[in-house]
Amino acid sequence: EIVLMQSPGTLSLSPGERATLSCRASQSVSSSNLAWYQQKSGQAPRLLIYGASSRATGIPDRFSGSGSGTDFTLTISRLEPEDFAVYYCQQYGSSPPYTFGQGTKLEIK
Amino acid sequence: EVQLVESGGGLVQPGRSLRLSCAASGLTFDDFAMHWVRQSPGKGLEWVSGISWNSGNIAYADSVKGRFTVSRDNAKNSLNLQMNSLRPEDTAMYYCVKDVGASGWDWWFDLWGRGTLVAVFS
Repeated sequence: EIVLMQSPGTLSLSPGERATLSCRASQSVSSSNLAWYQQKSGQAPRLLIYGASSRATGIPDRFSGSGSGTDFTLTISRLEPEDFAVYYCQQYGSSPPYTFGQGTKLEIK
Repeated sequence: EVQLVESGGGLVQPGRSLRLSCAASGLTFDDFAMHWVRQSPGKGLEWVSGISWNSGNIAYADSVKGRFTVSRDNAKNSLNLQMNSLRPEDTAMYYCVKDVGASGWDWWFDLWGRGTLVAVFS
C-alpha cells in the first residue's frame, strides 16, 4: 500500500500570497497517477488536479500541479479568499486500496 | 444537473447493520465505476470500497472487508453499501463517489455526493 505524507499540516498565508503544498509517496506513483482535492468546511471534496498536473474542468489557472515519482506539489499562485480550505492528495492506478494523504489545512494568516 | 445523493445514514448500536444508498442522476450511470469514501469526524479521507461498471470488479479496504458489501443496480442508477457488524470506528460521513473510468482502479474521482452520516455508539 502506498502511503502519502502531506506537508505542512497547516499553512498560514494571506490572500494574494503564493501557496506551495507537498505530497510525498512511500513508493513511486506510477504514470503520475496523483490527484488533488479541495475540501471546504462542511462540504464534500472537489477534484482540482489529476495526472499530477492536469486541471479539472472549471478549476482556475492559479491552481497548478507538478511532480513525478514520489514527490508532488500543488501550487496556488495568488490566494483568493475562497481558496482557504483543506487539500488532499490521492494516488490511483495501482491495485486497491486507493490512498489519500492526511491533508494540509490552508488557513488565513 | 449531474449529482449523487446519499441516504440511509443514522445512529446505530455496535454490532448492528445499516444499508446506505446513493442515487445518481444526470449521468450515464453504467458507464462508470463507483466508490464509497468515508471521513471520520475531524479526520481525513479513507477509501472504503469500489465497484466497476458491471460489478465485475469489486474491492474493499482491509478495515471493512468481510463486514461491508457494495452493490449497484444500473437499471435504477443506484449504488449501495450494506454495512454489517458495525463498530464505533465506522463512525464517519460516507460519500458516494464517481470514478472517471469504468473498470474501477485506473482513474481518479470526479464527482462526490454530499455524504450521509453514520454514527455507531452504545
